Amino acid sequence: DTGVSQNPRHKITKRGQNVTFRCDPISEHNRLYWYRQTLGQGPEFLTYFQNEAQLEKSRLLSDRFSAERPKGSFSTLEIQRTEQGDSAMYLCASSRVRGVDTQYFGPGTRLTVL
Amino acid sequence: AQSVTQPDIHITVSEGASLELRCNYSYGATPYLFWYVQSPGQGLQLLLKYFSGDTLVQGIKGFEAEFKRSQSSFNLRKPSVHWSDAAEYFCAVGAKEYGNKLVFGAGTILRVKS
Repeated sequence: DTGVSQNPRHKITKRGQNVTFRCDPISEHNRLYWYRQTLGQGPEFLTYFQNEAQLEKSRLLSDRFSAERPKGSFSTLEIQRTEQGDSAMYLCASSRVRGVDTQYFGPGTRLTVL
Repeated sequence: AQSVTQPDIHITVSEGASLELRCNYSYGATPYLFWYVQSPGQGLQLLLKYFSGDTLVQGIKGFEAEFKRSQSSFNLRKPSVHWSDAAEYFCAVGAKEYGNKLVFGAGTILRVKS
């Protein structure tokens, strides 16, 4: 069990640029979640996958955001035309599909939009 | 709507003193409850969880929490705080009916004074 990994750990970009983050879940976990955490707040749910199917998207996930999990393993989160309000920590978590199972979090990707 | 309230934004305790962090939830389904801890710039580490059964649950690092259904609370306790416990603590609620996505409180920052 190597844990959830996320890359990059930090990303600084200029407003209007596109960015992509990657999450590698724990290998036997079927579910993968994305959350966003802004300063002074708890994480907020963005979207989740069961295997390769995206099952739910929060209304926080505007049209500029897209997430994929092409083969049911790693996932990517892309933000197009970044805005300063997108600056946040983006957290990925994974869990098994077994009733309610525990979500294990990665270290996060800190995005700063200048 | 589901919500989690952590009434205390900051708490300061002396090293060796006891600790209680409060968490109240409002949820339309049978809740599953979690406490996570986050050090600055890091992801979330699970401290403990409650799914069912004994309402007093033990976690890592000497933490425990008690589920009180009548009060919709899940308070975190530790009998003797160590300086290394200084961090931010998040209470979270999930439910199978809501796809197991977690709703987090805003967090409580714990400061430990020597």
